[in-house]
Amino acid sequence: EAGVTQFPSHSVIEKGQTVTLRCDPISGHDNLYWYRRVMGKEIKFLLHFVKESKQDESGMPNNRFLAERTGGTYSTLKVQPAELEDSGVYFCASSQNYSPYTFGSGTRLTVV
Amino acid sequence: AQSVTQLGSHVSVSEGALVLLRCNYSSSVPPYLFWYVQYPNQGLQLLLKYTSAATLVKGINGFEAEFKKSETSFHLTKPSAHMSDAAEYFCAVSRMDSSYKLIFGSGTRLLVRP
Repeated sequence: EAGVTQFPSHSVIEKGQTVTLRCDPISGHDNLYWYRRVMGKEIKFLLHFVKESKQDESGMPNNRFLAERTGGTYSTLKVQPAELEDSGVYFCASSQNYSPYTFGSGTRLTVV
Repeated sequence: AQSVTQLGSHVSVSEGALVLLRCNYSSSVPPYLFWYVQYPNQGLQLLLKYTSAATLVKGINGFEAEFKKSETSFHLTKPSAHMSDAAEYFCAVSRMDSSYKLIFGSGTRLLVRP
């Protein structure tokens, strides 16, 4: 089966611009998660979708971040406007029935 | 609240030597525990998981971990390091509830010397 796909793999944007990250989960996986690792820090939970609904968005840092999951399939994470501290690696993961996640390769975001 | 502490941001071993990566957790409820590995330019890959069955858990690539409740530890070991084991390793804890959210340690980078 195809894994979790994220794109772009890298993105470099200027402060104040908008960036949209996309995640395609494994087909049939109802659970989709976003995590982020800021340079040198822990990987931290951002939010959790069950199908198209947000189950838990307690990790979203502020209202510059907007996550959507259209029709319970792919998900996007938009950062608008981007700030320097948003730089890091954004991971997406999916699972079915709360079995261990399958992670994507991540999107490395650099805000300059 | 749950938390994970990984001792040592970098661990260096010689090829063929024992690998020991330390992880201690804090959890008010019985935890689920995981080790993930990230190879360069790749995503996170599950090495092994503890879900309240056997306390000694065997994973992929010859790794294993032992859950010790009295020590709140879940250290990762491999008897003989291989050059291909060089990567960053993450310990994580989760509650088995509706979220199944993972809380990660800060990671340990394993260096394997020839």
